[in-house]
Amino acid sequence: DADVTQTPRNRITKTGKRIMLECSQTKGHDRMYWYRQDPGLGLRLIYYSFDVKDINKGEISDGYSVSRQAQAKFSLSLESAIPNQTALYFCATGMGNEQFFGPGTRLTVL
Amino acid sequence: GQNIDQPTEMTATEGAIVQINCTYQTSGFNGLFWYQQHAGEAPTFLSYNVLDGLEEKGRFSSFLSRSKGYSYLLLKELQMKDSASYLCAVRDPGQNFVFGPGTRLSVLP
Repeated sequence: DADVTQTPRNRITKTGKRIMLECSQTKGHDRMYWYRQDPGLGLRLIYYSFDVKDINKGEISDGYSVSRQAQAKFSLSLESAIPNQTALYFCATGMGNEQFFGPGTRLTVL
Repeated sequence: GQNIDQPTEMTATEGAIVQINCTYQTSGFNGLFWYQQHAGEAPTFLSYNVLDGLEEKGRFSSFLSRSKGYSYLLLKELQMKDSASYLCAVRDPGQNFVFGPGTRLSVLP
């Protein structure tokens, strides 16, 4: 079983819709991250959390919100999706000097 | 803030050695990381440097010079499966990671 899972793996939606991307981990790590990846821009940090009561904005948090429901779960929401939020989204957990990435969610906003 | 630069693309031949450079400008530094990412897959951790010098790990080595804001990833005895993107990332004192744009490496037979 994968240590970091993301659902859904692919999603196509329309402008203005609310979307939630979910991330779960079985690694027992306190640190969790949400990134988006766009061609030529690398990974950019959206939000991060160091424990259940800790939520922090990353480089590009506008238009996104998150919820850390438990140590193992970290959800990313797009309240009103827009086309430039079309991207590959990765969740990651952190422990020591490593990050462990989920398989990614490919989101398309039409 | 942080700014990280890497070449966009590189090509090398199977069995050869390739060096992928990374330069960074940061307001804080707590380690430099290299990740490998195959197309359509998640990044996977390759190496970590926090002190100056060379870290060797099998066919992969990573070098850091903090005074120059410079790192490189050295891949020896290239194999076809090494065709991937290589991401340089800097961790800041707040434990956050800033990634470079990635270098797409193509290994040719």
